[in-house]
Amino acid sequence: DQQVKQNSPSLSVQEGRISILNCDYTNSMFDYFLWYKKYPAEGPTFLISISSIKDKNEDGRFTVFLNKSAKHLSLHIVPSQPGDSAVYFCAASITGNQFYFGTGTSLTVIP
Amino acid sequence: IAGITQAPTSQILAAGRRMTLRCTQDMRHNAMYWYRQDLGLGLRLIHYSNTAGTTGKGEVPDGYSVSRANTDDFPLTLASAVPSQTSVYFCASSAGTGSHEQYFGPGTRLTVT
Repeated sequence: DQQVKQNSPSLSVQEGRISILNCDYTNSMFDYFLWYKKYPAEGPTFLISISSIKDKNEDGRFTVFLNKSAKHLSLHIVPSQPGDSAVYFCAASITGNQFYFGTGTSLTVIP
Repeated sequence: IAGITQAPTSQILAAGRRMTLRCTQDMRHNAMYWYRQDLGLGLRLIHYSNTAGTTGKGEVPDGYSVSRANTDDFPLTLASAVPSQTSVYFCASSAGTGSHEQYFGPGTRLTVT
């Protein structure tokens, strides 16, 4: 059973607007959450992370929000750029030993 | 700095054959991981190693084995490949305790016929 879920397989956004990617999880023991970005024929690259003791983490154009009560996290990209077009995976871990990934959301930023 | 290298880049393998996917990192990371990526299923952890000499099972370990004889290398072996093992395989590493960020290799595309 998928413990980390990304229910939107794809998302299209106009350049300059906000992109919001969502992720839900089922295991309340997860204590660390990460977002990865993946281009075709490449491995995923780390984007941003958040500990379960926080509800927000910001890095430049990227902000991750965590709502523990709803078991939900989201990634905001503002402003979106064409180079942001990629597949985004959220991931969660318990004590950093095992990581559970979502199925990914393909983001297309339209120029 | 190469980071993580994987070999081969791609491979077509007959069912029943044995295959070892190679993974090497030059970052002196303690932890290493093997994932498979399948359409609609995301990345699933096969095996991991928190430090040289130790290994552990992930979500989907059946049909795969790993070894961690030293810090840099983490090979994944399919003892007798089956078509359901057709996938893209990614190796990753992280510094270990206290560091959750993983660095991924470019992947190996494996087709079992």
